[in-house]
Amino acid sequence: GAGVSQSPSNKVTEKGKDVELRCDPISGHTALYWYRQSLGQGLEFLIYFQGNSAPDKSGLPSDRFSAERTGGSVSTLTIQRTQQEDSAVYLCASSATSGSAYEQYFGPGTRLTVT
Amino acid sequence: GQQVMQIPQYQHVQEGEDFTTYCNSSTTLSNIQWYKQRPGGHPVFLIQLVKSGEVKKQKRLTFQFGEAKKNSSLHITATQTTDVGTYFCAGRTSGTYKYIFGTGTRLKVLA
Repeated sequence: GAGVSQSPSNKVTEKGKDVELRCDPISGHTALYWYRQSLGQGLEFLIYFQGNSAPDKSGLPSDRFSAERTGGSVSTLTIQRTQQEDSAVYLCASSATSGSAYEQYFGPGTRLTVT
Repeated sequence: GQQVMQIPQYQHVQEGEDFTTYCNSSTTLSNIQWYKQRPGGHPVFLIQLVKSGEVKKQKRLTFQFGEAKKNSSLHITATQTTDVGTYFCAGRTSGTYKYIFGTGTRLKVLA
């Protein structure tokens, strides 16, 4: 079946503009994660959605970042008033939360460049 | 907050040598996962460990979860060029499905 998809694959934006990044998780996966990965660095947790529960937003770096998940499926990560330090690859992952292994399936990422 | 550290940060080995990366959490974990990220790619799930002292093997890869469930290791026997990439551990504490990823160990294998 289809894996996790993200769009756009690349986004170049000017400092101060808003951007929206989209994630389509694997059908039926109740958990959805957003991570940020700067060049050559590890994965920084941003936000996590689980079913109809309130999202865990503890990793969002500032109030310029927000995310929503509509209908328990597609998610959008919005960055307002982008700054150069927001440049990174934004990775989305989804996971089932029943069964024995809650492995995360990652999308290919969106590379964001803020000029 | 919860932190997960990995050592070493980088490792260069000759093909055929062994490799080990260590993962240490500041808090007790419910389970730990390991991922591999090839250069230019996205992380791919390798394995999950749940039980204290658990050891799992996948061909040349051996994964261990510490008795206190605060540390873990990945050992690769007789590395091959296909093992090149960055290895991440990711730990979860009870009561949440949130995972904190380790800092990663970048492995280079010299032919």
